[in-house]
Parts: sequence; structure tokens; C-alpha cells
Amino acid sequence: DARVTQTPRHKVTEMGQEVTMRCQPILGHNTVFWYRQTMMQGLELLAYFRNRAPLDDSGMPKDRFSAEMPDATLATLKIQPSEPRDSAVYFCASGPPLSGGAVEQFFGPGTRLTVL
Amino acid sequence: AQKVTQAQTEISVVEKEDVTLDCVYETRDTTYYLFWYKQPPSGELVFLIRRNSFDEQNEISGRYSWNFQKSTSSFNFTITASQVVDSAVYFCALSEAETSGSRLTFGEGTQLTVNP
Repeated sequence: DARVTQTPRHKVTEMGQEVTMRCQPILGHNTVFWYRQTMMQGLELLAYFRNRAPLDDSGMPKDRFSAEMPDATLATLKIQPSEPRDSAVYFCASGPPLSGGAVEQFFGPGTRLTVL
Repeated sequence: AQKVTQAQTEISVVEKEDVTLDCVYETRDTTYYLFWYKQPPSGELVFLIRRNSFDEQNEISGRYSWNFQKSTSSFNFTITASQVVDSAVYFCALSEAETSGSRLTFGEGTQLTVNP
């Protein structure tokens, strides 16, 4: 049963520290997404990649966030420096393309980040 | 701009009752996909169903059924004979293949509580 995996599952850090979250997409999926979930904003897209190339990162604060795919089996989301307002659950999703350009997305378990 | 509205913030039912979760969407695209995801207390986002804009056939999967009506821009989800394990937050989501690529726009979610 193929699944998206994310590490760490929980992270508590202090303001100003660097945070790195990792995601392993389902083998064969060529599109990877990063979402953030908060009580106030709900689920919002931060960035996504297709065939390892970034296609859209407009939802991501550029000054402190960065997303990369070093290879097809690893996606990373970094926050440097972290702030308390970054506290949220960060989800990674991957999927194969559907017709017309849309993607069926399967989500990982999420990383719950708390910035003190 | 695409938009998804789940007007019911919380629903509480007693086990074995039927319950319908409403979802209304807005889009200018002719090609789009609609999804439902379940988020149980564990926090994972579980894919339930996708529908493309050209397929208005209703679908049934066990106790779950979905009613897609383009005329009213609705994609409602019914759980028949609800069970305690159905307690979760349910999200409706929209992907516009033409204008926004693979971006998923989520509704605010409906918290369903099924009481024994």
C-alpha cells in the first residue's frame, strides 16, 4: 500500500531556528505539493513541483521559506528563520496527472510544527 | 477565481442516521475536478473521491454516495447509516485544470460528529 511519507511528524523549535521538513512521494508520482493547515486559514497551497521543477510557489513567503526536490524521491520544505506564526501542520501530497492537467493528490500524514 | 463553500461548519448526528454534507463551488473553467477528503482525528487527509466536470453520474461506494449537479454547482456527499468512525472533518476541493493547473482549493471543512 503506497503512501506519502513525511518526517518529522512533530517538531517543536524556537523562534529563529531553521526547520527542515521532508517528504517522500509515492513512487511514480511526478507531481509534489506542499500545503499548510491552520485554524485561521484552513488548507492552503504553498508550492508544487512537476518532474522536480517548481511550477508554483506563489503561496509561499519567499523571504523565509524555500522548497526543493533534490531528486524524485525527496522533497524538502525549509523555513529559515522560523517564527511563531509558522506554527501549523504542513502536508505533502503527491499524485499522477489526470487528463486536462489536473492531478489526483494523495496526502502524507503531515508535520505538526510548533514554533515557540 | 475558484472558490469552494461548505456552509455547514459542524454537524452532529446519532449513529445510523443519514447525513448529507453540502459543497458548492465556483469556477469559470469548463474542465475541472472535484474531490472529497476525510480528515479523522489522527490528522491525515484521506482521499475519498474525485469527479471530473464532464461526468455528472452520481456515485455510490458502500455507505457513501455523491451527488454532482452542474446546474447548481454542487457536489454533495451523503453518508448512509452513519457510524461513530465516520466522525471527522470532511473537505470538498476543486481543481481547475485550465486556469490554475493542479492547485487544489479547499472548502473550510465540515466537522461531522456521530454520537453513539
